[in-house]
Amino acid sequence: DVKVTQSSRYLVKRTGEKVFLECVQDMDHENMFWYRQDPGLGLRLIYFSYDVKMKEKGDIPEGYSVSREKKERFSLILESASTNQTSMYLCASSLQQSSYEQYFGPGTRLTVT
Amino acid sequence: GENVEQHPSTLSVQEGDSAVIKCTYSDSASNYFPWYKQELGKRPQLIIDIRSNVGEKKDQRIAVTLNKTAKHFSLHITETQPEDSAVYFCAASIRGSQGNLIFGKGTKLSVKP
Repeated sequence: DVKVTQSSRYLVKRTGEKVFLECVQDMDHENMFWYRQDPGLGLRLIYFSYDVKMKEKGDIPEGYSVSREKKERFSLILESASTNQTSMYLCASSLQQSSYEQYFGPGTRLTVT
Repeated sequence: GENVEQHPSTLSVQEGDSAVIKCTYSDSASNYFPWYKQELGKRPQLIIDIRSNVGEKKDQRIAVTLNKTAKHFSLHITETQPEDSAVYFCAASIRGSQGNLIFGKGTKLSVKP
């Protein structure tokens, strides 16, 4: 059974802080994704990675960066958190190239005050 | 760019009735169409998917139909139960990607006992 875990379920940070959200998957998946979920807007892709040290921008990368130093771990970084980054952040992984079935983590509810 | 439209945004049905959620996609090269269910406070989970070489797929009370010509696909839930209450997301694969999906904005289904 695929397991995708995220470092925190709830996080409260102040404006301007640097924020790290971590995601770990235990099934040797090559593809990893970070989404942002907001009411009425669905799931929007922030960044994705198909391999270690590889990263690609998604639809809304502004204000975010990512790091993938190990295959199982994909980190989302908010360099200087702002209130409009208050949201639910979901990590997902999928097996390999052209494998579209994505497995999601439980999500991190981030509040920036 | 690619787009997936999902309707309705909210749906309320009586227990035992059927529920239908519809999605349209823009990219004729999309070939994989999953449906995810997200219960309150939980992660999205894949409930059924269909590939472009199939017109219909069924799994117990849920079914998905695909019309490639019209570029739309639908989720059908029969004999709805209160535990079917959740947000449902459709998605479509993205041409040229190695596993990316584009998601609809979601449908909140409420099943009244």
